[in-house]
Amino acid sequence: QSVLTQPPSASGTPGQRVTISCSGSSSNVGTDTLNWYQQLPGTAPKLLIYKNNQRPSGVPDRFSGSKSGTSASLAISGLQSEDEADYYCAAWDDSLNGAVFGGGTKLTVL
Amino acid sequence: EVQLGQSGAEVKRPGSTVTISCKVSGDTLRDYYLHWVQQSPGKGLEWMGLIDPEDGETFYAEKFQGRVNIIADTSRDTAYMELSSLRSEDTAVYFCAISERPAVVPGEYWGQGTVVTVSS
Repeated sequence: QSVLTQPPSASGTPGQRVTISCSGSSSNVGTDTLNWYQQLPGTAPKLLIYKNNQRPSGVPDRFSGSKSGTSASLAISGLQSEDEADYYCAAWDDSLNGAVFGGGTKLTVL
Repeated sequence: EVQLGQSGAEVKRPGSTVTISCKVSGDTLRDYYLHWVQQSPGKGLEWMGLIDPEDGETFYAEKFQGRVNIIADTSRDTAYMELSSLRSEDTAVYFCAISERPAVVPGEYWGQGTVVTVSS
């Protein structure tokens, strides 16, 4: 059971907008900034969003992040087939004194 | 460009210790926190711990406390992760990653991963 809760799966058709949620608590998402990662099969995770809503250089603006209270969301607009991947959120947890990941969401592009 | 290069795949016996290295190139290890992340087959990412190479301070996830040791050799810009008392459940891919101070969650740069197989 992960400290951060994500839906195990999500899906959408090409061109659609999909959102993936990440729910935590006051000791992690509620007090710290959140990162989102994309992982394609057999590869290392790739940072998509940092500090809740910032995109690293090279990440398309189709990807956006938001946070409210103890919940956060990753939105992907203009869904493309290459977006089919696993997505993870992560934050620092002040109670555990360590970083925590969500369980991951498998995104399928139909 | 910053790159992280990890050591190669390992096959270990139960009860033994594995050591994986992670070399930072294109920048200095001291400028970052260095993390280790475990990914078991078909499972999600699990944070194991981090080291501050400036002073050697470490933070470990409770799950691995007592079995994991992360060290940093700043003269070689290389960090190491030792996992002891190996069991079959430790069969996984292990990634190193860095975060730019003051961020304490893995950031943009990751190693390619090291496969560790624990089998008798």
